[in-house]
Amino acid sequence: SQELEQSPQSLIVQEGKNLTINCTSSKTLYGLYWYKQKYGEGLIFLMMLQKGGEEKSHEKITAKLDEKKQQSSLHITASQPSHAGIYLCGADLPSARQLTFGSGTQLTVLP
Amino acid sequence: KAGVTQTPRYLIKTRGQQVTLSCSPISGHRSVSWYQQTPGQGLQFLFEYFSETQRNKGNFPGRFSGRQFSNSRSEMNVSTLELGDSALYLCASSLAAGSGSYEQYFGPGTRLTVT
Repeated sequence: SQELEQSPQSLIVQEGKNLTINCTSSKTLYGLYWYKQKYGEGLIFLMMLQKGGEEKSHEKITAKLDEKKQQSSLHITASQPSHAGIYLCGADLPSARQLTFGSGTQLTVLP
Repeated sequence: KAGVTQTPRYLIKTRGQQVTLSCSPISGHRSVSWYQQTPGQGLQFLFEYFSETQRNKGNFPGRFSGRQFSNSRSEMNVSTLELGDSALYLCASSLAAGSGSYEQYFGPGTRLTVT
């Protein structure tokens, strides 16, 4: 969706390296959701952020919603091949009655 | 707790035919949403059902329809299939519906190929 921009579109990193994926909106986000998808499969819920400045972590993945609630970042520390997949952000946008998704970031982790 | 299940997982149909896909949500979840995912358009919202009522509909033609049963199971139907309908169809369930309730859990999807 153009309402939600994800960057980069694809990322190739060496195992052990840190990386960051961004999700940006021109509108204030009421809620921001991060999902991971293995090719051709369903989405796995990672985290939900609702408050400006909120930060959540799960294992080696940390997500943050900025104070203005228009951008979120997903940071992976010491990446592993198991982190490979497509990362999608989904947003609860004003005047939208459903979740709007970004176009996704394809992550490849080289062993 | 069992996750969201979708049947069938794979389907091959011919142009002009119709197809019905099924989704069983997580036990206790009353909201079911359907999405279409294609390489070109990404993940696009089809519709959402809550307590057997369609609450919201995306920008898809009337050939796409759905329904929800009293046990929260949902089906979506696509009539007069076109080549462009080839996609991964994903179903997601959540406890409630509406803004702020999008902690959705997705099924594995149904891969539809139209030839």
